[in-house]
Amino acid sequence: AQSVAQPEDQVNVAEGNPLTVKCTYSVSGNPYLFWYVQYPNRGLQFLLKYITGDNLVKGSYGFEAEFNKSQTSFHLKKPSALVSDSALYFCAVRDGSGYALNFGKGTSLLVTP
Amino acid sequence: DADVTQTPRNRITKTGKRIMLECSQTKGHDRMYWYRQDPGLGLRLIYYSFDVKDINKGEISDGYSVSRQAQAKFSLSLESAIPNQTALYFCATSAGQGLKKEKLFFGSGTQLSVL
Repeated sequence: AQSVAQPEDQVNVAEGNPLTVKCTYSVSGNPYLFWYVQYPNRGLQFLLKYITGDNLVKGSYGFEAEFNKSQTSFHLKKPSALVSDSALYFCAVRDGSGYALNFGKGTSLLVTP
Repeated sequence: DADVTQTPRNRITKTGKRIMLECSQTKGHDRMYWYRQDPGLGLRLIYYSFDVKDINKGEISDGYSVSRQAQAKFSLSLESAIPNQTALYFCATSAGQGLKKEKLFFGSGTQLSVL
């Protein structure tokens, strides 16, 4: 079975500060890991993915994520948050033989001015 | 124009009614998916299709059925709607080959309320 856990329902950050949104995963094989973002009244948008290679993955809008195999984590990060980053963020996983992505429950990010 | 279009955007219906949600895409993707989103539960996969002749159940397919009418069209039906099917429904697509299949493109969603 494959699953992800997002332990925080909400993350609050002041604009200009670094942000981290946490995700841990569980898969039986090598993980394929993803982050998606959902803005109000919109569908999800792809941010970044880890398939193999460098543990630090860079994605859209200045976001990056760090893959840590020993801690089975894939945390989303940004050095300097913007108010416009406020949205719902979803982590997702697929193992090598899986047929579709399993999504986490989502973490609401609120960036205040 | 949106690449993945869902209709209707909102629908209110009564318990026991049959409902169809439609999805069409202009991306030329082989793979299509239906997810539902519930607050605090994230997205859960209902059905997926890797081509016109391939339909597969996801983790919560009970009470739902789908039809892949063409490569570009994938509809979701609730044969007899019940209140706990009230949710936000998303259609998504992805390419069929290589690593591109990992990137999903989502429609804007259909908010369904079953009274």
